Amino acid sequence: DVKVTQSSRYLVKRTGEKVFLECVQDMDHENMFWYRQDPGLGLRLIYFSYDVKMKEKGDIPEGYSVSREKKERFSLILESASTNQTSMYLCASWDSTDTQYFGPGTRLTVL
Amino acid sequence: SQQGEEDPQALSIQEGENATMNCSYKTSINNLQWYRQNSGRGLVHLILIRSNEREKHSGRLRVTLDTSKKSSSLLITASRAADTASYFCATDSQGSGSARQLTFGSGTQLTVLP
Repeated sequence: DVKVTQSSRYLVKRTGEKVFLECVQDMDHENMFWYRQDPGLGLRLIYFSYDVKMKEKGDIPEGYSVSREKKERFSLILESASTNQTSMYLCASWDSTDTQYFGPGTRLTVL
Repeated sequence: SQQGEEDPQALSIQEGENATMNCSYKTSINNLQWYRQNSGRGLVHLILIRSNEREKHSGRLRVTLDTSKKSSSLLITASRAADTASYFCATDSQGSGSARQLTFGSGTQLTVLP
């Protein structure tokens, strides 16, 4: 019963490429988040959004941007991918009174 | 001691009442975040307040930040049984010679009785 989907499970890109990671939720949640997860560093918040067309920087926004044109879709954009952006990217949505639902994650490798 | 310390350690209230939890910290911060953890589950991000903000709202949540007192409070209004969980504050501060990181406090266990 999948509620949060991410466009790709595995992605391989080259340095300098523009990368789009898409996240879609079907729970009508207002809040959506993008995290990256790296060994020994846990989850780190990149960007989040409390509403359509609204975005706020998280802990590590450098090198990333986001887009929230529709309530159900929150996109993470790597303008010019670098090798240090190789990571697991997790999208989540949440309704402030409910469990935060995570997508399956996208394992991005930047060569 | 830890950067973020929550107070009280445990709080028990009736459904419909408001719940207030406090967090104190020691060093300068970039922002302060509140998380919730239901029993046996992972952390859930609730709200982030930056060092230049004093108050922020999200649904039934209200967070205040007083940088002069190095303290923050989380208010949950009209509590529900589903709000029963542990609540953690996490401070985002620049470590010496290291990347920014979140430091979590020990948490407040909130129990909302039906």
